[in-house]
Amino acid sequence: QKEVEQNSGPLSVPEGAIASLNCTYSDRGSQSFFWYRQYSGKSPELIMFIYSNGDKEDGRFTAQLNKASQYVSLLIRDSQPSDSATYLCARGSSGSARQLTFGSGTQLTVLP
Amino acid sequence: NAGVTQTPKFRILKIGQSMTLQCTQDMNHNYMYWYRQDPGMGLKLIYYSVGAGITDKGEVPNGYNVSRSTTEDFPLRLELAAPSQTSVYFCASSLQNIRDTEAFFGQGTRLTVV
Repeated sequence: QKEVEQNSGPLSVPEGAIASLNCTYSDRGSQSFFWYRQYSGKSPELIMFIYSNGDKEDGRFTAQLNKASQYVSLLIRDSQPSDSATYLCARGSSGSARQLTFGSGTQLTVLP
Repeated sequence: NAGVTQTPKFRILKIGQSMTLQCTQDMNHNYMYWYRQDPGMGLKLIYYSVGAGITDKGEVPNGYNVSRSTTEDFPLRLELAAPSQTSVYFCASSLQNIRDTEAFFGQGTRLTVV
């Protein structure tokens, strides 16, 4: 089982729809979770991070964390063509390793 | 607002050659990282540093070396390049441990070993 697993997609949604990106992880000790966005040929940039169970909202983005189910998701409301990118889920390692483990990413395309 | 700067942006190496990927940051971050990203894959940690003079191995350190003589610079050395090292390399820095805060990435170095 991969440490951080994402559906690779590609995921296509029409402009204005809600895009739902999902991620599962295997380390129950993980405390922090991140969503990075990566445009094609560019570097990753942070969208959101979440530590606590429940929802965290920032503008059109909502991160959801369920530690019991080892599941974290990112919802993008009112999707725009500019949201078309690969979204990387990452979890902070537990213990002393102090690292981030990334998933392979989900490619999102928002169709005009 | 330079942030994290990597050089070169592109490089083609022949098998067995060596090179150094440069990374510098101007945000006074203690933590710096080197990742590689293979096509369609996530980022894998090669080496990281928690401050000048301190480095440690990540998930995939074989074939690489690093040094951290200053807070600003964190070069990655490839010795005896192999085709398996063909990848995009990202340097990143963060104010605190990357599992606790935002990391800032450089624009990447696309390396091809032929």
